[in-house]
Amino acid sequence: QQPVQSPQAVILREGEDAVINCSSSKALYSVHWYRQKHGEAPVFLMILLKGGEQKGHEKISASFNEKKQQSSLYLTASQLSYSGTYFCGTGATDSWGKLQFGAGTQVVVTP
Amino acid sequence: GAVVSQHPSWVICKSGTSVKIECRSLDFQATTMFWYRQFPKQSLMLMATSNEGSKATYEQGVEKDKFLINHASLTLSTLTVTSAHPEDSSFYICSARAPSGTRRYNEQFFGPGTRLTVL
Repeated sequence: QQPVQSPQAVILREGEDAVINCSSSKALYSVHWYRQKHGEAPVFLMILLKGGEQKGHEKISASFNEKKQQSSLYLTASQLSYSGTYFCGTGATDSWGKLQFGAGTQVVVTP
Repeated sequence: GAVVSQHPSWVICKSGTSVKIECRSLDFQATTMFWYRQFPKQSLMLMATSNEGSKATYEQGVEKDKFLINHASLTLSTLTVTSAHPEDSSFYICSARAPSGTRRYNEQFFGPGTRLTVL
């Protein structure tokens, strides 16, 4: 089953923060976050594994609550380069590495 | 990060013809690769899992006779769209899973994608 992402879209001014949520109905082993620019393939941001960890990549960080089967991506002090569509990909515990992707969250950062 | 290439990057073909898309992992051996399809402004939909040396496993609703997958070596998987029709026009993306026993096991590295247009 496809994970549910929210919000569908968000518009930010440069320097503002945003949170993107991803929730699944299945027990998760991993959550993967990607950013995709128009016409390009997704670019890997980070992976969170079972264990409730939090990770960061520049000013983008993420958390994973395995009990709630949820992950959140935090965009801090957003930059223009953060614009794109963010996808979470979830790996269920019985999925043998397969990922199911959410519908995506379109982020637009304006000057 | 690991590099995955796809060829061709785009292809235009006539309805009824077959198209082959190659996915290569350039700097690691990938026993498992995945094929996704993405329609405009939509999410990535997993089509199939490609395992080296064995038959691919297809997701529900994906016709295995139409989308032929061959994973003949540890660095190459191919997707052949047979008898392509306009509704097969899409962005096809492969990913390669980092090998077990490596630090980045569980990560998937995506190729740049192939845009298929069927006239």
